[in-house]
Amino acid sequence: QVQLVESGGGLVKPGGSLRLSCAASGFTFSDYYMSWIRQAPGRGLEWVSYISNRANTIYYADSVKGRFTISRDNAKNSLYLQMNSLRAEDTAVYYCARERGGHYWDFWGQGTLVTVSS
Amino acid sequence: QSVLTQPPSVSAAPGQKVTISCSGSSSNIGNNYVSWYQQLPGTAPKLLIHENDIRPSGIPDRFSGSKSGTAATLGITGLQTGDEADYYCGTWDSSLSVVIFGGGTKLTVL
Repeated sequence: QVQLVESGGGLVKPGGSLRLSCAASGFTFSDYYMSWIRQAPGRGLEWVSYISNRANTIYYADSVKGRFTISRDNAKNSLYLQMNSLRAEDTAVYYCARERGGHYWDFWGQGTLVTVSS
Repeated sequence: QSVLTQPPSVSAAPGQKVTISCSGSSSNIGNNYVSWYQQLPGTAPKLLIHENDIRPSGIPDRFSGSKSGTAATLGITGLQTGDEADYYCGTWDSSLSVVIFGGGTKLTVL
């Protein structure tokens, strides 16, 4: 069965960096686009970034452009999100999700919490 | 502020029907597929509807989706207390080249 397991969240100071990982299993990872989607405490969903299956197409939300970098390692069935220059407003649960054509997500991980605070 | 507009909350009695609207523009809903997600408290979102009106396997036919012009609608019939959740619509915005979500609608089954 499809599984997506995020890791790497935690407490970081403003201006700091964090790298999130998402381990995928149960499907051919290299066939699928993948996304990061976040949810601030008590707030709605906010799409962060997506990456094509071969990493040749990448998009970012304006709120993270220039600070976050999405990447993947198809040999390791893993998705990553490098987050730099973190701000308090980046505090959220970060979900990795498998993207399908037409921009929808059929499987989501359980999420990892990132807290940016001094 | 979300580009897609959803009502903050809706409510109905068990067994009744409810609809949740999602309003956008020609650059997003008007020219792209809409998907819907259910988020039960403390859990990850779950896909309910994709490509406007297609239910993934395992999603009961009590859930339905439709789209007309720049608006989409999620319908839920035969409401159950277990349907109490937050519901989100999502789509691609061709002008902004970003994915956008609605602000979410909290469903209360009275």
